[in-house]
Amino acid sequence: ILNVEQSPQSLHVQEGDSTNFTCSFPSSNFYALHWYRWETAKSPEALFVMTLNGDEKKKGQISATLNTKEGYSYLYIKGSQPEDSATYLCAFYNFNKFYFGSGTKLNVKP
Amino acid sequence: DVKVTQSSRYLVKRTGEKVFLECVQDMDHENMFWYRQDPGLGLRLIYFSYDVKMKEKGDIPEGYSVSREKKERFSLILESASTNQTSMYLCASSLAGPDEKLFFGSGTQLSVL
Repeated sequence: ILNVEQSPQSLHVQEGDSTNFTCSFPSSNFYALHWYRWETAKSPEALFVMTLNGDEKKKGQISATLNTKEGYSYLYIKGSQPEDSATYLCAFYNFNKFYFGSGTKLNVKP
Repeated sequence: DVKVTQSSRYLVKRTGEKVFLECVQDMDHENMFWYRQDPGLGLRLIYFSYDVKMKEKGDIPEGYSVSREKKERFSLILESASTNQTSMYLCASSLAGPDEKLFFGSGTQLSVL
C-alpha cells in the first residue's frame, strides 16, 4: 500500500481568502498525479491530471503545481468562493491503480 | 458526457446477507474500480478490472468479490455482509493509462445492521 498524504485535513476560510493544500506521494516510479474535487451529495470530479515534473495547471481561480523529485503537489485557490467548498482529493497512479489521500475539506464562509 | 450509474444511493442490509452493488458505465471504458470511503481514511481500492472477466485485488479485498461479465458493468459482491462493511461505496471508470481521469458514480451508502 503506497502512502499518499494530504494536509491540512480541513480548512475554514472566509470568502475572498486565498488558500493552498498539499499532497505528498512517493517520489519513485512516478507516472501521474490527479486532483479531484468532491462536493457534498455529488460525485468526485477531475480537476487536473499532472504527469511531468514542474507541471503547472490552471482552471479558473484554481491552479496546481507538481514536484515529482521531492514527491509533492500543491493546489491553490485564489479568492475562494462559497461554491469552492468541497473535499479536494489527490490520487497517485501506480501500476494501474490510483492511491488516494484522505482529502482536504474546504469550507468557505460567505 | 460520461455517465457512471450505481444501482442504489442508499442500502440497508442485515448481517450475513449477500449484497450486490451494481455499476454501469456508458463510455466503453476498459478500467472499472470499486472504492470505499470511510471518514479520515480516504478512498481505498477494493477491486479493479481492466477488461471483461479480468480483475485484480486492491488494498482491501477481504470479504468482497467482483464480477465483470460485460464491459459496461462491474458488480461488487459482499458474500456475507458484516457491520464493518458499513461504508460509502464508489464506483469509477476510466480509459487505460495514467493520464486518463476517473469518472465516478454517485455512490452507495451501505448500512449493515
